[in-house]
Amino acid sequence: AQTVTQSQPEMSVQEAETVTLSCTYDTSESNYYLFWYKQPPSRQMILVIRQEAYKQQNATENRFSVNFQKAAKSFSLKISDSQLGDTAMYFCAFTSNTGNQFYFGTGTSLTVIP
Amino acid sequence: NAGVTQTPKFRVLKTGQSMTLLCAQDMNHEYMYWYRQDPGMGLRLIHYSVGEGTTAKGEVPDGYNVSRLKKQNFLLGLESAAPSQTSVYFCASSYWLGTGDQETQYFGPGTRLLVL
Repeated sequence: AQTVTQSQPEMSVQEAETVTLSCTYDTSESNYYLFWYKQPPSRQMILVIRQEAYKQQNATENRFSVNFQKAAKSFSLKISDSQLGDTAMYFCAFTSNTGNQFYFGTGTSLTVIP
Repeated sequence: NAGVTQTPKFRVLKTGQSMTLLCAQDMNHEYMYWYRQDPGMGLRLIHYSVGEGTTAKGEVPDGYNVSRLKKQNFLLGLESAAPSQTSVYFCASSYWLGTGDQETQYFGPGTRLLVL
């Protein structure tokens, strides 16, 4: 069974600083996909970034980047130059080519402090 | 292109009442999902569908039923609501898994349900 673990329930960062959110997962699959979703107070789930397991290069999207360590089954999200609008709940998620489901972590609540 | 929409946005029910939540997507996605979100528990999968006319149970299916009569719609029913079903419900959709770049899941805005 697939599991996704986010061990940091809450984090805070000063505006303009860098913060890293942790995520680990457990799977026996060889081909899979990892995601970070952002959920602001509006509750809308917004895709931040995705990573294909077969790609060694870490995905980046503007100020958001990941550190994907396949052997360690780790998938952390780095937010650079944090902005007030980054305040949200962040969820790590997993899916694979052989499954029909997505698996989510319990989330990390990030607060950006002005 | 509206993406994924959910109706209603908010509802209050009394214990024992029934209701149906409607999810619609206009992206021609094969897969559709219903999740519930409770504080500290992330998103938990209730039911999902891999195509028109098919449904399957997720992690927490008890007390819910679903139907996928049309590809674009996925209905979630509560036959006899209980206070434990107070939650925020999210619908999501995606292309069929295993096709390369199509695995991203897109979410609706959520439905807040309060059962008294």
